[in-house]
Amino acid sequence: DAGVIQSPRHEVTEMGQEVTLRCKPISGHDYLFWYRQTMMRGLELLIYFNNNVPIDDSGMPEDRFSAKMPNASFSTLKIQPSEPRDSAVYFCASSPLRTPEPDTQYFGPGTRLTVL
Amino acid sequence: AQTVTQSQPEMSVQEAETVTLSCTYDTSENNYYLFWYKQPPSRQMILVIRQEAYKQQNATENRFSVNFQKAAKSFSLKISDSQLGDTAMYFCALPRSGNQFYFGTGTSLTVIP
Repeated sequence: DAGVIQSPRHEVTEMGQEVTLRCKPISGHDYLFWYRQTMMRGLELLIYFNNNVPIDDSGMPEDRFSAKMPNASFSTLKIQPSEPRDSAVYFCASSPLRTPEPDTQYFGPGTRLTVL
Repeated sequence: AQTVTQSQPEMSVQEAETVTLSCTYDTSENNYYLFWYKQPPSRQMILVIRQEAYKQQNATENRFSVNFQKAAKSFSLKISDSQLGDTAMYFCALPRSGNQFYFGTGTSLTVIP
């Protein structure tokens, strides 16, 4: 398996523009997570899905952020409109279901977003 | 509440030497797992090692081992024979509900040649 795939790897955009980050989880994994990493706040969980259904989006900063998972092999994180404070590295991670034991999360390479 | 604390923001070690990174946590669960992740300059998060709380034996993966003290809620990572490629941020992680993780703030490790 190729692992978790994220695109683009780098994104530079101007304030006010729409940004879409994409993620392909590992095949067969039931959970998908979106994280944001900054120097100031560290690694933050934004939202996670179980079997394509959003379970907890309490980490989403505000209404400008939205995430979808239309099928088991694809998810998007959209920021509209983008602001300079959204500049960060965004990670997607997936994990298989193993109840009641939590399993390892497999991270993608991340997308470095810069909003000018 | 469940929390993870890494009290060493930065550490350095000479190549080939041994270094220990500290992690303490708090949880009300009796059975749980703990993880160490590595984030090299490439930014990708890579699993280093995993420990199951009900197992008394400390987990080991090649040069990486843990010192798990359940009563003290301590979960330190020992890296033996440090290599330049070990230079990275290291995160301690504690699972919570729904396969979510609590991550510590990380320890930046530099291996000096």
